[in-house]
Amino acid sequence: DGGITQSPKYLFRKEGQNVTLSCEQNLNHDAMYWYRQDPGQGLRLIYYSQIVNDFQKGDIAEGYSVSREKKESFPLTVTSAQKNPTAFYLCASSSRGAATDTQYFGPGTRLTVL
Amino acid sequence: RKEVEQDPGPFNVPEGATVAFNCTYSNSASQSFFWYRQDCRKEPKLLMSVYSSGNEDGRFTAQLNRASQYISLLIRDSKLSDSATYLCVVVSGGYQKVTFGIGTKLQVIP
Repeated sequence: DGGITQSPKYLFRKEGQNVTLSCEQNLNHDAMYWYRQDPGQGLRLIYYSQIVNDFQKGDIAEGYSVSREKKESFPLTVTSAQKNPTAFYLCASSSRGAATDTQYFGPGTRLTVL
Repeated sequence: RKEVEQDPGPFNVPEGATVAFNCTYSNSASQSFFWYRQDCRKEPKLLMSVYSSGNEDGRFTAQLNRASQYISLLIRDSKLSDSATYLCVVVSGGYQKVTFGIGTKLQVIP
């Protein structure tokens, strides 16, 4: 089955710790994205990547880092610098990153900072 | 003014009713528009793209009004399974500018 996988589904971390969220896709898509979703707010873009070894900051990149060493993988690290990391994190991909491309989402990771 | 605005609802409608949602956007140069559906605690999934000529998919109809800068979603003959949050998505410049609305919650009641 083609699709996007994210792991883990639920993640708990102590304040001050870095944590890495996994995102893998086997759709052969060039573009990948990371969003966070908070109650009462729309999805907000953290980082995006249109091609391997290239990525750009989105609207709320502070306290996050990413890498894109392989086409199918786009891991997100939530660092201790992120002030309010508790949220629902969604990874997405699209064919080329063009305006008309559909974005396909993974099942998400719920991160809770204790 | 927010880039993309939606009424968060909830819209509580009886089964079989017709319901319509609007979504307004502020950037007149916006290029592409979509409606996504998101079930509780799940990921968003594409419902339909929105074209200038309007498009229909079964009980769902989407319209774009560029002059007034809004898109709409009409659901006819509502089913219980239509209960979800409907997200409006506006794309202004390819991958670098995708904006999601906060979503409109629909609850279809028996």
